[in-house]
Amino acid sequence: GAGVSQSPSNKVTEKGKDVELRCDPISGHTALYWYRQRLGQGLEFLIYFQGNSAPDKSGLPSDRFSAERTGESVSTLTIQRTQQEDSAVYLCASSLKVMQATQYFGPGTRLLVL
Amino acid sequence: AQSVTQLDSHVSVSEGTPVLLRCNYSSSYSPSLFWYVQHPNKGLQLLLKYTSAATLVKGINGFEAEFKKSETSFHLTKPSAHMSDAAEYFCVVSFNDYKLSFGAGTTVTVRA
Repeated sequence: GAGVSQSPSNKVTEKGKDVELRCDPISGHTALYWYRQRLGQGLEFLIYFQGNSAPDKSGLPSDRFSAERTGESVSTLTIQRTQQEDSAVYLCASSLKVMQATQYFGPGTRLLVL
Repeated sequence: AQSVTQLDSHVSVSEGTPVLLRCNYSSSYSPSLFWYVQHPNKGLQLLLKYTSAATLVKGINGFEAEFKKSETSFHLTKPSAHMSDAAEYFCVVSFNDYKLSFGAGTTVTVRA
């Protein structure tokens, strides 16, 4: 299990419901990042963690989006009251450190809001 | 404004012929530059990375990229395409050392 893992791989939900997306980074990686990839578009930065703190939340689209990280390991991205425009692939990445470090990506969670 | 532009949304090549994927960036200083590949239903995989060492960077699977500061370019090449190279390729720039900015992507198809 050397890579970044994410769960679930696919999630279908109804508009208005809350969803939680999980990311398990590579062991020992202090930095963790969340991105969103909408259909036909590049990745958008959402948030990153240094340890358990989030110095930059500037990419979160609205206050319906939140994320936390515990034990300098697992992170959860929560979307409350989902909207159809939240449908996207949510990607998590981790890196050994923050500055000038290569980010290693997980396979993503494909979210579909009906 | 800092940005990254992939000049081709789609590239089609014959197996065994060269591949060229073009990328330009705009920045007031030298950024870190990456190429990632995404195969269908797979995660993003790092192909190569430039961080102000040699301007010609060799990556995995026979790919290489050349950093040209005067042209603000970081084009990706491979001398001979293989069927397994069919995927989407992203040019990625890091302007402030952690936030990656992705190009829109180039889809590569390889004809037998």
